[in-house]
Order: sequence, then C-alpha cells, then structure tokens
Amino acid sequence: GDSVTQMEGPVTLSEEAFLTINCTYTATGYPSLFWYVQYPGEGLQLLLKATKADDKGSNKGFEATYRKETTSFHLEKGSVQVSDSAVYFCALSGGGGSNYKLTFGKGTLLTVNP
Amino acid sequence: GAVVSQHPSRVICKSGTSVKIECRSLDFQATTMFWYRQFPKQSLMLMATSNEGSKATYEQGVEKDKFLINHASLTLSTLTVTSAHPEDSSFYICSAGGEGSNQPQHFGDGTRLSIL
Repeated sequence: GDSVTQMEGPVTLSEEAFLTINCTYTATGYPSLFWYVQYPGEGLQLLLKATKADDKGSNKGFEATYRKETTSFHLEKGSVQVSDSAVYFCALSGGGGSNYKLTFGKGTLLTVNP
Repeated sequence: GAVVSQHPSRVICKSGTSVKIECRSLDFQATTMFWYRQFPKQSLMLMATSNEGSKATYEQGVEKDKFLINHASLTLSTLTVTSAHPEDSSFYICSAGGEGSNQPQHFGDGTRLSIL
C-alpha cells in the first residue's frame, strides 16, 4: 500500500535559519503530494501541493519539489520565523488506492526560537 | 476563510454519554467527507469515509456501532461517539473536498473530546 515517511522531529531552529524537512513516499500509482501544517490546538491547513513530477509547490516562503526519480517531496524554507512553529505533515493521495484518501506521514514538530 | 466548519471545538462529558460532532462544508458541496482521529503527538488516523446519501466506509479496526456517521446532505456530515468512555478521548478532525486525487482536502479545526 501507499506510505509516507518523513523525518522525525522535533526540529528546533533559531529564527532566520534554513529549514528542510525530508519526505519520501511509496505509491503504486502516480500520486499527488501535499504538505499540511497544524498549529497547536487546530486542524490542518494546506500549505502547498504538487500534482506531477518536477512541479514545485510554494506558499508563504515554503517550497517543495515533486521528485519522481527519488520519490521525494522535501519541504524547505530559506528563513524561518517564530510563527512557523507547528507540526508539518507530508501526505499523498491517488497513489494506487482510492483517489480521495490521504496517506499521511507521522508529522514533524518544528519549534523556532527568537 | 475557513471552508470547513467543525463544531463543537471542545467537549467534556461523563462516561456513557453520546457526543455528536458536526462537520460542514461552507463554500462547496461535498459528496465525500472524512473523519480522522489524532492521538497526542501522532499523525492522523483515518476512521471512515462519509458518503452523502449512503453508508460510511469504515477503516479496519474502527467500530461502526461506536462511531456512527451520517452524511444526510452535501454540506453536512456528523460523527456520533456513542456511549463514550475515557479511551475515546482524543482529537477528532473532519475534512472535505479532495474529489480528484490532485485536489486538496480542507480540514475542520478539530474537536477535542474529553471523557471523564
């Protein structure tokens, strides 16, 4: 079945540091890839997405590129802020099962200190 | 603004009580909604897929009689935790959309359920 593996946290950075959260996936089909962010006590918000190979999703300074050859979708940001502190989830859909279901990674807690 | 509204945001009740959680899609019609459960510091676990006008599809290991799902309209799905016990305490999140693998799902803000 489909699966998503993302780097385990927690990740602690200082403000303005560079961020990378690794994500790799296994899917039988050709999935769409997503990054969601969850702030404390809230639901998930879509951060960015990519639907085909070499697509780059970007939003709020975050970027991730769909790499089919390495089955990866790593999240990056050049300069993090305290307000970026949250849990980040990598996810895929449409890999081989139901087109509608999302398969999530375990989440990575990011803490940014001033 | 929020496209999926979930209510209530927090429930505290006694063991044996049944609790209903509502999930509404605000800007679009959703033939499919999803219900997730999230344990502390863990990822989301899909409980069931709610299908408008038909029975929900439950994931393996999820008790159908315990977690009743009703999707009576294109904008509303409800999850009822029947005869809740302390082990049912968790964070429940619904989502809608994603109808097409390249479309993102939109999530509600979640419901923190605490059973005393």
